[in-house]
Amino acid sequence: IAGITQAPTSQILAAGRRMTLRCTQDMRHNAMYWYRQDLGLGLRLIHYSNTAGTTGKGEVPDGYSVSRANTDDFPLTLASAVPSQTSVYFCASKTLPGAHNEQFFGPGTRLTVL
Amino acid sequence: DQQVKQNSPSLSVQEGRISILNCDYTNSMFDYFLWYKKYPAEGPTFLISISSIKDKNEDGRFTVFLNKSAKHLSLHIVPSQPGDSAVYFCAASGQGGATNKLIFGTGTLLAVQP
Repeated sequence: IAGITQAPTSQILAAGRRMTLRCTQDMRHNAMYWYRQDLGLGLRLIHYSNTAGTTGKGEVPDGYSVSRANTDDFPLTLASAVPSQTSVYFCASKTLPGAHNEQFFGPGTRLTVL
Repeated sequence: DQQVKQNSPSLSVQEGRISILNCDYTNSMFDYFLWYKKYPAEGPTFLISISSIKDKNEDGRFTVFLNKSAKHLSLHIVPSQPGDSAVYFCAASGQGGATNKLIFGTGTLLAVQP
């Protein structure tokens, strides 16, 4: 693999179900991020991790959890999905420390919660 | 409170003409700005960036201008091509520990007509 991969590509989920979105990068980037993209709201940060073993909350963390057991993987879990979590989810990564180098994004996961 | 604003949800221009996409920000601590381009069903890709110590950065057909006093930046695409049709997001990052995170605008959909 090269870059960032996300799985699944899309998913339809019943409300109340648990779901984990997967993200893997092979660039050995320290920092990883989860965003959701909603029409009219742009990209909003859910959670981030500056290095393996650490995580932090973004703008819209409620209802989501993350873990960072190693450098490459950064899964996002919805413990009990609700319809308002219907969105397109993007994982991203970047090198740290770094002046302001850009974040690299995965292809996204389209999630529909019914 | 939207710290990074893109007030034009969409823009349509003729092929060969100039496209100007605008972005305003409210946080004076932002010191680095980026533009991302996003095609449907793909993740955002980095396009061009500018540091607050500059007022212009150019890369081929793409130029970003920064007006710090007005807290305004713009992306110029000259000449515009049909392949430039995409959603463009501006993003900003701050100083110190805040350099790890980006704040995105809501995006502008550019349509370049052949």
